[in-house]
Amino acid sequence: EADIYQTPRYLVIGTGKKITLECSQTMGHDKMYWYQQDPGMELHLIHYSYGVNSTEKGDLSSESTVSRIRTEHFPLTLESARPSHTSQYLCASESGQGDEQYFGPGTRLTVT
Amino acid sequence: KNQVEQSPQSLIILEGKNCTLQCNYTVSPFSNLRWYKQDTGRGPVSLTIMTFSENTKSNGRYTATLDADTKQSSLHITASQLSDSASYICVVSDRGSTLGRLYFGRGTQLTVWP
Repeated sequence: EADIYQTPRYLVIGTGKKITLECSQTMGHDKMYWYQQDPGMELHLIHYSYGVNSTEKGDLSSESTVSRIRTEHFPLTLESARPSHTSQYLCASESGQGDEQYFGPGTRLTVT
Repeated sequence: KNQVEQSPQSLIILEGKNCTLQCNYTVSPFSNLRWYKQDTGRGPVSLTIMTFSENTKSNGRYTATLDADTKQSSLHITASQLSDSASYICVVSDRGSTLGRLYFGRGTQLTVWP
């Protein structure tokens, strides 16, 4: 069982609200990732970090932002939620190059 | 263009039967290929990871094969159980450096009926 956690698991929120999705891992992994996944579709990388104070945008353009102040914590923030942000957001971490990525349980976000 | 294609898109089998899922990729340069199981509403869980030199790897009732020449992989599930109902995702890594990335297939949705 991977030690990577996401909160909340489910979130329904109105348009225009600011939200932060939390992700934390206790494995000491330097590399962390955020993916977005729509039902029946592949995972798309939206942000990644290779360590503290390192953040990069992924392949899929996203209006969200991330921060990496501590190794174990990689929160994702949406300043103003829109219905187009409705999706599942998955956080993952990895110890090193070519190693297994461990995924959190995901946050299912619905913006009304 | 680096892509990962999986087939079939969905599959229904009876409990106790075997099945094989397919993955074709065009990712280059190739580093490793992974199979993940994703239960509905959960994050993916790794089943196997294979590098270029490995052509088969097992994890319990799951056996993955890799043909790096034809860029094909398969995941064989033996004696299926109801708990095998999930999406199975093929992921290919092109990591030869820290700038590498993962390419995800759309998954095969497997349903096991009693």
